[in-house]
Amino acid sequence: EVQLVESGGGLVKPGGSLRLSCAASGFTFSSYSMNWVRQAPGKGLEWVSSISGTLGYINYPDSLKGRFIISRDNAKNSLYLQMNSLRAEDTAVYFCARDQASGGTGWPFDYWGQGTLVTVSS
Amino acid sequence: DIQMTQSPSTLSASVGDRVTITCRASQSISSWLAWYQQKPGKAPKLLIYKASSLESGVPSRFSGSGSGTEFTLTISSLQPDDFATYYCQQYNNYPVTFGQGTKLEIK
Repeated sequence: EVQLVESGGGLVKPGGSLRLSCAASGFTFSSYSMNWVRQAPGKGLEWVSSISGTLGYINYPDSLKGRFIISRDNAKNSLYLQMNSLRAEDTAVYFCARDQASGGTGWPFDYWGQGTLVTVSS
Repeated sequence: DIQMTQSPSTLSASVGDRVTITCRASQSISSWLAWYQQKPGKAPKLLIYKASSLESGVPSRFSGSGSGTEFTLTISSLQPDDFATYYCQQYNNYPVTFGQGTKLEIK
């Protein structure tokens, strides 16, 4: 059974940093591109970043380039999101999600974690 | 960036109704469109991919159509479990973008 479990969320002051983790199980982690998607309270879904399985292809929206860094450790079946210079508008539930197809990038997201809440407030 | 616009934003319907949600892309995305269902406090669930392909395990009352810039999600006969928020997503190119969501409410 595919499982994705996020951790690392919490309360952080503006300007601070936080590192989210996503532990994956039930599939060959290195074969799939992985993603982070966030959802501000009461708002819609916003794609945050994607990373390919082994070739290291990484994508961000322009609005987050330079502050957020996605990475993965295939030996540990884990996905990470380093978030720096956090702002109030980064407050959201952060989901990790798997690409539907193995190999390549740019697929819809077929498995999602339960999400971890990040609150940026003084 | 490709903008995705859903309509309506809110839809009130009754059990047994046939409902349609529309998603428009600001430029052509071929058929690289997915639909998700999300219930409060839960992660989104993939329903439809490549505009009209039903994800495994999703009931056949859900269907998708369209290509280019205009797409629809249809639920043929609403069930109580279907009241939720629905999002379209384009994955034609980066940045991946979602529609703003359509909340399906019980009339």
